[in-house]
Amino acid sequence: KNEVEQSPQNLTAQEGEFITINCSYSVGISALHWLQQHPGGGIVSLFMLSSGKKKHGRLIATINIQEKHSSLHITASHPRDSAVYICAVRTFQGAQKLVFGQGTRLTINP
Amino acid sequence: NAGVTQTPKFQVLKTGQSMTLQCAQDMNHNSMYWYRQDPGMGLRLIYYSASEGTTDKGEVPNGYNVSRLNKREFSLRLESAAPSQTSVYFCASTQGPGNEKLFFGSGTQLSVL
Repeated sequence: KNEVEQSPQNLTAQEGEFITINCSYSVGISALHWLQQHPGGGIVSLFMLSSGKKKHGRLIATINIQEKHSSLHITASHPRDSAVYICAVRTFQGAQKLVFGQGTRLTINP
Repeated sequence: NAGVTQTPKFQVLKTGQSMTLQCAQDMNHNSMYWYRQDPGMGLRLIYYSASEGTTDKGEVPNGYNVSRLNKREFSLRLESAAPSQTSVYFCASTQGPGNEKLFFGSGTQLSVL
């Protein structure tokens, strides 16, 4: 079993829908990152959080440390949100160690 | 700011050839990383450099070497390429080894025939 599991692996929705992507992890962490990988391949950091909730525009990220779970929400989704969303956790096994999920491929249809 | 600049974007090698992937950042970051991304798998750490003058192995270091030339530059070398090294490679940097935001290069798509 992977230390970081994302669900769903693939998600297709219509423009305007509310999107939720989930990330569960099985190890102790000091922080969790949400990344966005565009169809062209570039990776951009969206959020880094260690507790609670963060919001940036239409994106909201939450984390529940006790339940070892994080969610990424997209409100009023748009075709430009189509990308792969990656969850990564920084474990206590050395400050450099990031464990990445396999990613969730999101497609938003007009 | 250019951020993290990674070259080349594409490369095709024959088995046994060598090559160096270049990475440079202009954000005065201390920590730099090399990852590989394979289909169906998460990004995996090859090597990292916590600060200028230091390098350490990650999860999948076999077949690779690195050089932290100065604070800006961190190169990845394949001495004798193998088909198993066909992958997409990403360089990344952070200010420090803690919980800082990651900045990624645009990636190198490498095929080894």
